[in-house]
Amino acid sequence: EAAVTQSPRNKVAVTGGKVTLSCNQTNNHNNMYWYRQDTGHGLRLIHYSYGAGSTEKGDIPDGYKASRPSQENFSLILELATPSQTSVYFCASGGARLGGRRYEQYFGPGTRLTVL
Amino acid sequence: GEQVEQLPSILRVQEGSSASINCSYEDSASNYFPWYKQEPGENPKLIIDIRSNMERKQIQELIVLLDKKAKRFSLHITDTQPGDSAMYFCAANTGGLSGKLTFGEGTQVTVIS
Repeated sequence: EAAVTQSPRNKVAVTGGKVTLSCNQTNNHNNMYWYRQDTGHGLRLIHYSYGAGSTEKGDIPDGYKASRPSQENFSLILELATPSQTSVYFCASGGARLGGRRYEQYFGPGTRLTVL
Repeated sequence: GEQVEQLPSILRVQEGSSASINCSYEDSASNYFPWYKQEPGENPKLIIDIRSNMERKQIQELIVLLDKKAKRFSLHITDTQPGDSAMYFCAANTGGLSGKLTFGEGTQVTVIS
């Protein structure tokens, strides 16, 4: 299974502050994704990336930015955090890689963000 | 965009019986349908998937069925055990290179001993 790590694992932020969530994958997957999961609900896609330098809007991008400086790293940025962004954030990697299968996504351990 | 409906939201079954979860999707271009299992405080883990060129796939106790005409797919857990208690999510891709997945809202499965 793909190795995806996230940092920090827990974060408490203040309203209006800037928050950066980081994700690293070591399996040379082309695609990376950021999701949020609210209690008792499914996963909703915020931003995704096809590769280094690429970021694309997902289904709920408002209030979030993303950055993909390298194949391995994908960050989610909340410029002005709000209490409504309190959630668990999951990063995933997957998609095409040389000789590999195309569609599977593997999730990191998650970051629990609380905005006060 | 793609919409995925998942039912039921809560499922309680007796140990040793079968559990069935049903999902439907809207986009006829979807061609990949994974299932994830999530335990409390953990990340979702891929347990089985099926592509549109198949109608049935089985891995041990897990069976996935796909009906492309009806745009429905389902997960069947046979001979359920307490370790099968978890949240289960279905998903469908939107096609193309993005590999984007749209998830259902989840089914909380509880296996009663």
